[in-house]
Amino acid sequence: EVQLLESGGGLVQPGGSLRLSCAASGFIFNRHALSWVRQAPGKGLEWVAGISGSGSTTDYAGSVKGRFTISRDSSKSTVSLQMNSLTVDDTAVYYCAKDRRAATPPGNYYDMDVWGQGTTVTVSS
Amino acid sequence: LLTQSPGTLSLSPGDKATLSCRASHSLSSHYLAWYQQKPGQAPRLLMFGTSNRATGIPDRFSGSASGTDFTLTISRLEPEDFAVYYCQQCGDATDLTFGGGTKVEIK
Repeated sequence: EVQLLESGGGLVQPGGSLRLSCAASGFIFNRHALSWVRQAPGKGLEWVAGISGSGSTTDYAGSVKGRFTISRDSSKSTVSLQMNSLTVDDTAVYYCAKDRRAATPPGNYYDMDVWGQGTTVTVSS
Repeated sequence: LLTQSPGTLSLSPGDKATLSCRASHSLSSHYLAWYQQKPGQAPRLLMFGTSNRATGIPDRFSGSASGTDFTLTISRLEPEDFAVYYCQQCGDATDLTFGGGTKVEIK
């Protein structure tokens, strides 16, 4: 079964840092781009960051560029999101999601067919 | 930018639902997807490439496009179809975006 399992969410003060992890299983890990997508309370979906299958290319939404870093570890089949300088606007459920297509061009992200259950990040003093 | 309408659709089981997603610029049909999200759950991929159903999606769901207007149609609403639906533009990371969503609620 193809599965993504996020962890690492929690409560953090403004200006703080948090690291999210997503454990993948059931598919050829380095063949698929992976993304983090977030959803603020009562709001819609926002793509946050993505990483190519090889890990050579990373991309970010403007709202998080320079503060968040996405990475992947093929030996552990995990993708991580390091979040620094957090603000209250970063409060959201963060989902890890897998591109349906394999071997897509770096810097491109497509429809996402597998999602984790989400992990909640709350930024508050 | 993707603009979804209406914001809320109030319908009864058995009704036909027509959801709209308008792109602000030309968009290839290859790069438009639809998702369904129920409360407390992760989004689920419904359609990719505008009109291709994802694995396990029943054929009462269909997608189409006309220019920059994309449509998700649910031919006959089942109780489990009441949810929020999002369209997504795929492709280059700089263009990646979701629409604001349409909530399909029970009338």
